[in-house]
Amino acid sequence: AQSVTQPDIHITVSEGASLELRCNYSYGATPYLFWYVQSPGQGLQLLLKYFSGDTLVQGIKGFEAEFKRSQSSFNLRKPSVHWSDAAEYFCAVGSRGYNKLIFGAGTRLAVHP
Amino acid sequence: DTAVSQTPKYLVTQMGNDKSIKCEQNLGHDTMYWYKQDSKKFLKIMFSYNNKELIINETVPNRFSPKSPDKAHLNLHINSLELGDSAVYFCASSQEVGGGGSGANVLTFGAGSRLTVL
Repeated sequence: AQSVTQPDIHITVSEGASLELRCNYSYGATPYLFWYVQSPGQGLQLLLKYFSGDTLVQGIKGFEAEFKRSQSSFNLRKPSVHWSDAAEYFCAVGSRGYNKLIFGAGTRLAVHP
Repeated sequence: DTAVSQTPKYLVTQMGNDKSIKCEQNLGHDTMYWYKQDSKKFLKIMFSYNNKELIINETVPNRFSPKSPDKAHLNLHINSLELGDSAVYFCASSQEVGGGGSGANVLTFGAGSRLTVL
């Protein structure tokens, strides 16, 4: 079955600390992978995506993610977190020619000053 | 300019009523979607339209009826509202990257419409 697992429901980090949010997927076809961020009361904003090529992708707001096929993972990282990064983060998987994105349950990030 | 706009942003109504949520995108995208986000923040696709044609219809009660008058609009009408329909409904649109039916779709989401059924 197709699924996305985000093992961490809540993560709290201190401002300036590094961050890694985990994402594992189960998908039968070649996956396209996405990270979206949702600030309180807002819609989802695309942070970055992986389609093919370099497995380390850069996104907006200083985020990056690494696709590891052998581990079926697409973890999101940021070297130094800012208080404004506090939000809900969603990993999603899709496939070429297929319009349906499957989302993980999300990871809520809290940032301590 | 808002790329994907939904109205209303908030909707509070009684059980049994009928309500609609409207969505418009000005990105020129061919495909539009409705997603439902429940109280646990879980996001699940409900419908997808491509050039006004329904292409994805997940297991959704037939009280929910999407309508796409043109490719820039996708409205969601809900009949006989139930308590369990309370959620945030997100509209999204996408354009295929790569083309030819073998590319990927990158979704742009609206800000959401929070529906509360009392």
